[in-house]
Amino acid sequence: KAGVTQTPRYLIKTRGQQVTLSCSPISGHRSVSWYQQTPGQGLQFLFEYFSETQRNKGNFPGRFSGRQFSNSRSEMNVSTLELGDSALYLCASARQGDTGELFFGEGSRLTVL
Amino acid sequence: QQPVQSPQAVILREGEDAVINCSSSKALYSVHWYRQKHGEAPVFLMILLKGGEQKGHEKISASFNEKKQQSSLYLTASQLSYSGTYFCGPPPGGFKTIFGAGTRLFVKA
Repeated sequence: KAGVTQTPRYLIKTRGQQVTLSCSPISGHRSVSWYQQTPGQGLQFLFEYFSETQRNKGNFPGRFSGRQFSNSRSEMNVSTLELGDSALYLCASARQGDTGELFFGEGSRLTVL
Repeated sequence: QQPVQSPQAVILREGEDAVINCSSSKALYSVHWYRQKHGEAPVFLMILLKGGEQKGHEKISASFNEKKQQSSLYLTASQLSYSGTYFCGPPPGGFKTIFGAGTRLFVKA
């Protein structure tokens, strides 16, 4: 079956702009979580959605937001981009999101100039 | 809240063994392990459950000490394909997974 799909794979933005990233989970998976990965910080949890509801969020500023649609696809948005937002953004899907394994997409690499 | 992994990095020759440790300051009921190869997405390795049950996909063993709140991943007779960064984390309890900073493993021929 198809894996987790993230688009776009690469993008370059400038400071102050905003960006929207998309994640299509594995069919049948209702949980989608987002992570920011940087060389120095590892995998940082952003938020998790299940059935269109955000169930938890990490310690990121309000500029980072997300949503999930009825078909379980999810988007995350970063407004007023800063240089420090440059990172690989990974999404992961799971059936329930509480005890099951996570299936990761290949990520969206964002560069902020 | 972030699990602590050790060592941070390790270099092995093919055939050598390695142990990666993961400890947490909060109670662990189970532990997840993932491996990320360079330029690729993290891939699930195994879940260690309370009571010692393991669920995984590869011939990699691990232990889970609930009292010490620690898990160890055992890589025996390492192969070149074992190279990558290994992450541990509490499972999505509270609907989020907090990963350790990772252990970089490099296996050379």
